[in-house]
Amino acid sequence: KAGVTQTPRYLIKTRGQQVTLSCSPISGHRSVSWYQQTPGQGLQFLFEYFSETQRNKGNFPGRFSGRQFSNSRSEMNVSTLELGDSALYLCASSVDRHYGYTFGSGTRLTVV
Amino acid sequence: QQQVKQSPQSLIVQKGGISIINCAYENTAFDYFPWYQQFPGKGPALLIAIRPDVSEKKEGRFTISFNKSAKQFSLHIMDSQPGDSATYFCAARIGGGADGLTFGKGTHLIIQP
Repeated sequence: KAGVTQTPRYLIKTRGQQVTLSCSPISGHRSVSWYQQTPGQGLQFLFEYFSETQRNKGNFPGRFSGRQFSNSRSEMNVSTLELGDSALYLCASSVDRHYGYTFGSGTRLTVV
Repeated sequence: QQQVKQSPQSLIVQKGGISIINCAYENTAFDYFPWYQQFPGKGPALLIAIRPDVSEKKEGRFTISFNKSAKQFSLHIMDSQPGDSATYFCAARIGGGADGLTFGKGTHLIIQP
């Protein structure tokens, strides 16, 4: 059974640019969540999608957005990148929010 | 406001010993408490989880102890092995999971051979 797949694994962007990250959940999982991991702040919840609807969003500015497609695949977008956006972005999928989450290996974003 | 406090930040244990990591939470609306293990370059992997109606849960060498009145829970790794060397995160989730997982800051565990 394939795990959660995130692409790309590494990304380098310049301040002010925008970036789109992709996540393919485990087959049959309809809930997809995104987390940001940094050495200083640790793991922080970004948002969660279920059946193409955003169910909740963490305490992040509007530059962070996402969407989910009918096949449960999800993308997150960060616009007007700042140096502080450099982080490991993790996607996690679950059958539903009442179950455990399986994380992908993440996308390492570096903003220069 | 940090809702889940994890300690210690780092831990060194001899091979065969018991590793103990502690977490305390503030929000009594939390009803699901998982522990994750993360190796460098990988995403967190679910180890074991517990709900507040149970005081202890054991899976292999991993045990969660839960104290609802003290709002504390801990991970015990019995017979610790060098392969257990990783960063461990406790987490908590409000019923329904609408706000996602709230993570502790992590514990860097080193098992010395």
